[in-house]
Amino acid sequence: GAVVSQHPSWVICKSGTSVKIECRSLDFQATTMFWYRQFPKQSLMLMATSNEGSKATYEQGVEKDKFLINHASLTLSTLTVTSAHPEDSSFYICSAMPQGPRYTFGSGTRLTVV
Amino acid sequence: GESVGLHLPTLSVQEGDNSIINCAYSNSASDYFIWYKQESGKGPQFIIDIRSNMDKRQGQRVTVLLNKTVKHLSLQIAATQPGDSAVYFCAENLRDSSYKLIFGSGTRLLVRP
Repeated sequence: GAVVSQHPSWVICKSGTSVKIECRSLDFQATTMFWYRQFPKQSLMLMATSNEGSKATYEQGVEKDKFLINHASLTLSTLTVTSAHPEDSSFYICSAMPQGPRYTFGSGTRLTVV
Repeated sequence: GESVGLHLPTLSVQEGDNSIINCAYSNSASDYFIWYKQESGKGPQFIIDIRSNMDKRQGQRVTVLLNKTVKHLSLQIAATQPGDSAVYFCAENLRDSSYKLIFGSGTRLLVRP
């Protein structure tokens, strides 16, 4: 079946540094990927739509300069959290659509900013 | 019984009983709905989906019901097992070209042995 691989699964970084999270579609091409953020005991909140070869589309209230998205190939989207602060600590999840509207999710990245 | 927690409502059921998890969706233009199961520290796992031209769909031990009149979805799990303990989310897909998937607030299911 279609697999989305997300890396790293967890990361701890110092406040003020940047962190890059990768999302790969392993056995299919994904022109569109999605990035979500999930705080403890809450639902997944859509942050942005990542489009291969073009700029990402951000949801209202999400700072595009803070959360840089690059989708340079049909199998890889990256999310970079720039100048991370403790309030950016969260669970970040990506997804893609291998066929039709059915979505496949990565296993998530737990970011802790200290 | 069902209770409202700090963020996620919790449904506690006895092993072997049937579970019903409810969800209210927001957009009357949504035409595709999915139920996901999420275990702690993992990404969402697909359970079952339904299109807006249907009102019921059955899978293995699970049934999804859709009531478009009141914008309500439910997930029924038959003979609930301890492995069903997780957080369950409904998600809706807007009928546009964005393919965005918007998640509901979620329900935690606890299965008592």
